[in-house]
Amino acid sequence: DQQVKQNSPSLSVQEGRISILNCDYTNSMFDYFLWYKKYPAEGPTFLISISSIKDKNEDGRFTVFLNKSAKHLSLHIVPSQPGDSAVYFCAAYFGNEKLTFGTGTRLTIIP
Amino acid sequence: NAGVMQNPRHLVRRRGQEARLRCSPMKGHSHVYWYRQLPEEGLKFMVYLQKENIIDESGMPKERFSAEFPKEGPSILRIQQVVRGDSAAYFCASSPRSSGELFFGEGSRLTVL
Repeated sequence: DQQVKQNSPSLSVQEGRISILNCDYTNSMFDYFLWYKKYPAEGPTFLISISSIKDKNEDGRFTVFLNKSAKHLSLHIVPSQPGDSAVYFCAAYFGNEKLTFGTGTRLTIIP
Repeated sequence: NAGVMQNPRHLVRRRGQEARLRCSPMKGHSHVYWYRQLPEEGLKFMVYLQKENIIDESGMPKERFSAEFPKEGPSILRIQQVVRGDSAAYFCASSPRSSGELFFGEGSRLTVL
């Protein structure tokens, strides 16, 4: 039962353009959402998060949007840079529950 | 301020052998999580521990796998009688509290021949 879904396994974007990574969830109890970035042979690193009481959170080039009614969130990266090429994981939790991760989207930025 | 330390980074075992993976959480973190990433898959939760206690092991296979987080020393994920399907990257993460943002180690990559 995949409660957090990232339906696009991969995405290619031209350098300088906007990258949009999508994530859907099924558990309406989730009240906190995070994005992690992972380079090959390294552990995931935290990127940005959003609480369910908000619909947008911005940090530099990264913005996360949350649509609770659609159970959907997205990560926008603008402008995209070559160093953004990585696998991005969406994750969610509620209360004291563990983080549940999506399957990841491999982002490739084309110079 | 060292991050989450995992060792070994790479481990090769033959079928039937035992694998032991170690994880030292970040200083001040008493909550440890183990996740597994199979090739071309996402991060799957295995087990959540606090010092000397297993809090949630719902993601851990019932046989051959065990985990501990003793009062002193690192957390250990132990896999007995390894099989080829155990080949994966095993990530440890720690947190100062029971939920929320996790800080990950660089992973231990197990290859079973």
